[in-house]
Amino acid sequence: ETGVTQTPRHLVMGMTNKKSLKCEQHLGHNAMYWYKQSAKKPLELMFVYNFKEQTENNSVPSRFSPECPNSSHLFLHLHTLQPEDSALYLCASSRSDEDVSYEQYFGPGTRLTVT
Amino acid sequence: GIQVEQSPPDLILQEGANSTLRCNFSDSVNNLQWFHQNPWGQLINLFYIPSGTKQNGRLSATTVATERYSLLYISSSQTTDSGVYFCAANTGNQFYFGTGTSLTVIP
Repeated sequence: ETGVTQTPRHLVMGMTNKKSLKCEQHLGHNAMYWYKQSAKKPLELMFVYNFKEQTENNSVPSRFSPECPNSSHLFLHLHTLQPEDSALYLCASSRSDEDVSYEQYFGPGTRLTVT
Repeated sequence: GIQVEQSPPDLILQEGANSTLRCNFSDSVNNLQWFHQNPWGQLINLFYIPSGTKQNGRLSATTVATERYSLLYISSSQTTDSGVYFCAANTGNQFYFGTGTSLTVIP
C-alpha cells in the first residue's frame, strides 16, 4: 500500500465510449502525475498538476482530458480512444517545490484495453 | 529532455547470485529514484537517492551525481526479486524514466 489508489483497476472500452480514470492520494502531497506505460516501453509522463494547476502537458492528444479538483484527487477523462491507447495508466504523487519535485509514489495502475 | 539509459536490458541470475544495475543520465538532475515493477504493474519504491549511498537489506544504491550515473546492487538474489527495475531522474516538474532492466532469478 503506497498511499495512492486508482480505480478502476481494469477497463475495457470501445472507441466511441467515454470513461474516466480516478486517482486519490492520502500522503498530503501537492503534486500529482499521469503516466502511460505501453507494452515493452518505459513510462511516459503525460500530465503534471501542482497545487491543482496543470504545469506540464507532454504533447498528449486531446482525447485524454485531465482534471484535478483538489490536491488529493486526479482524473483522466477518456473519449474516442484508439486501439494504440491500450496501456497501463499510472498515477503518482509527490511533494513539489517551485523547482524541485521529490520522491514519487505510484498507484497500482489501470490496465486499459480499447477495442 | 534528459536521456536516461539503463543497463543491462535483461539479466538472468541463479538464486543467491549478486548483480549490479546501472543508470546513466545525460544532464544534471535534482534527484534519482529506483523502482521495482512487479508482474501486476505496481511500482515499488526502492531508493530515493539524489547522491551518495543508501542500503536497505540486500539492496543498496549509489548515485554519483557529478558523473551522472547511479548503481543498484542486489546481493544474494531471491526469486521474488524478479521483475523490471526502473530508474527515474527528476528536473523541475519532469520525471524521466529509463527503459528498465528485466531481471529473472531462477531457483
